[in-house]
Amino acid sequence: GESVGLHLPTLSVQEGDNSIINCAYSNSASDYFIWYKQESGKGPQFIIDIRSNMDKRQGQRVTVLLNKTVKHLSLQIAATQPGDSAVYFCAEIDRGSTLGRLYFGRGTQLTVWP
Amino acid sequence: DAGITQSPRHKVTETGTPVTLRCHQTENHRYMYWYRQDPGHGLRLIHYSYGVKDTDKGEVSDGYSVSRSKTEDFLLTLESATSSQTSVYFCAITTGASGGRTGTGELFFGEGSRLTVL
Repeated sequence: GESVGLHLPTLSVQEGDNSIINCAYSNSASDYFIWYKQESGKGPQFIIDIRSNMDKRQGQRVTVLLNKTVKHLSLQIAATQPGDSAVYFCAEIDRGSTLGRLYFGRGTQLTVWP
Repeated sequence: DAGITQSPRHKVTETGTPVTLRCHQTENHRYMYWYRQDPGHGLRLIHYSYGVKDTDKGEVSDGYSVSRSKTEDFLLTLESATSSQTSVYFCAITTGASGGRTGTGELFFGEGSRLTVL
């Protein structure tokens, strides 16, 4: 997970700016990572994934960066739009483990204002 | 849309009563999961299924049981609901099945079931 405490980290950005959301993962054996977006009242939705043999992957307006040395993951959103307002979760998994499952961070609340 | 339907979407019940949440999928996926989501904890795995009548515990399984008698339905039961089980419950499926009994593909989530135990 990426935070401690009961309150979600928050990030407020102005429409059109770039957003960077960070995540610190815990298991050095994790080899697959996913970012999810969750809008209010809905289930999480897949945004982008990255395998541990990569350090960067780009999607449409989103880029994920992976730094295995410090166990850090980031999601960059270019030209942030009001529709990007949501909670963003990172998830990690050790696919080599026979009991491998996704572990989710607590999320970051992104608010985009005009 | 992975064809996942959860029911009920909202439920209020009293402590000590049994509650069953249903997850229905239409695309014949093998792996199904139940998560709960609470402030400060993120999503935590309750139980999962890797086929009909094949289920296993997740990290927060106490107080919950599951059943999967058909591929398309995965039921989560609270035998005797407690206030600590007030939460939003999400069902999920994965389309990937390479490596690990829980599957390793991305998860597709339902819309959630909000349960309040008074």
